[in-house]
Amino acid sequence: EAQVTQNPRYLITVTGKKLTVTCSQNMNHEYMSWYRQDPGLGLRQIYYSMNVEVTDKGDVPEGYKVSRKEKRNFPLILESPSPNQTSLYFCASSLSWGVLGEQYFGPGTRLTVT
Amino acid sequence: LAKTTQPISMDSYEGQEVNITCSHNNIATNDYITWYQQFPSQGPRFIIQGYKTKVTNEVASLFIPADRKSSTLSLPRVSLSDTAVYYCLVGPRDGGYNKLIFGAGTRLAVHP
Repeated sequence: EAQVTQNPRYLITVTGKKLTVTCSQNMNHEYMSWYRQDPGLGLRQIYYSMNVEVTDKGDVPEGYKVSRKEKRNFPLILESPSPNQTSLYFCASSLSWGVLGEQYFGPGTRLTVT
Repeated sequence: LAKTTQPISMDSYEGQEVNITCSHNNIATNDYITWYQQFPSQGPRFIIQGYKTKVTNEVASLFIPADRKSSTLSLPRVSLSDTAVYYCLVGPRDGGYNKLIFGAGTRLAVHP
């Protein structure tokens, strides 16, 4: 089954404790991205990747890091989480570049930073 | 970069047709219009995409006037399961991947 998986689905952590949210897709997609979703703000793109070892900033990259060492995986790293990073996070992948590429979203990771 | 404007919320009843309009006054020549649907606690799901005139699939229709400054997502005969948030997305055909922006969306509530 074609899918995007994320782990963990729920995470409660404390300020400053490094964490990683994993994302994996089994569709051989070149393009992957991370979004965060906050009430009233819709989805905002954090980082995106066009291929292995190629990543770039989205609209809200501050406080986040990503890596793309393998095509299927695109982990999101929070080196020193802060309460304003409490949010619902989605990983997405797509076959094509630009808006023509239908994006497949993972189930989401709900992160709470206290 | 085309900014989109949608109604914050809409209400409907089962069996009715629902039309959600998205305004994108500064849409660029190479921009396409895409709609996504999101259920609570799930990731968005692609519904439909178009460039001009009308596009129809098994889920919805998308109407785009000649000036392309707006578009309308039409959901025929909605059911309770169509209760969701609907996002209008405008972006370039090629490149500019980082310019994809999801707005606040339209929260559709379908009532019995």
